[in-house]
Amino acid sequence: AQTVTQSQPEMSVQEAETVTLSCTYDTSESDYYLFWYKQPPSRQMILVIRQEAYKQQNATENRFSVNFQKAAKSFSLKISDSQLGDAAMYFCASHLIQGAQKLVFGQGTRLTINP
Amino acid sequence: GAVVSQHPSRVICKSGTSVKIECRSLDFQATTMFWYRQFPKKSLMLMATSNEGSKATYEQGVEKDKFLINHASLTLSTLTVTSAHPEDSSFYICSADSAEAQETQYFGPGTRLLVL
Repeated sequence: AQTVTQSQPEMSVQEAETVTLSCTYDTSESDYYLFWYKQPPSRQMILVIRQEAYKQQNATENRFSVNFQKAAKSFSLKISDSQLGDAAMYFCASHLIQGAQKLVFGQGTRLTINP
Repeated sequence: GAVVSQHPSRVICKSGTSVKIECRSLDFQATTMFWYRQFPKKSLMLMATSNEGSKATYEQGVEKDKFLINHASLTLSTLTVTSAHPEDSSFYICSADSAEAQETQYFGPGTRLLVL
């Protein structure tokens, strides 16, 4: 069974600083995708970044980057130059390529940006 | 691209009535659509998965007679909460994937349901 764990219920960071959100997962499969989604107060789920497990290079999207450690089954999100608009719930999720075609979400991390 | 809409955004109904929520993929054809429920300060809970023209697959513990899902076309899925009760009050979110990227889901803005 797939599981995704986010061990940080809440995190805070000063504006313009860097913050890292943790995520670990467990699967017996070798091919899968990993995602970070953002849910701001509007509650609209927004895709932040996506990583294919077969790619060793860490995905990057502007100020957002991941540290993907496949052997350790770790997938952390780094937000650089934090902005007030980054305040949101962040969900880590996994999706198998074979088998159950569905996203499995972590519990979420609430990120607060301090001005 | 990859925009998903939901209607209505909010609905208040009386106990015992039925409520229909629509989910549309606006600029792409969805291979699969998903329905989630989210409780306050909690993660998303998958309720069911649906493909156009076939019966929905419900997750364990979700009552299929209570939450009716119809996937009439490649761009439209509906969730009907039948004989709603106060405990059905929640935030319901749909998502859709596309043939080009079936592993990536794009989410609608959600529907807040309040049953009085």
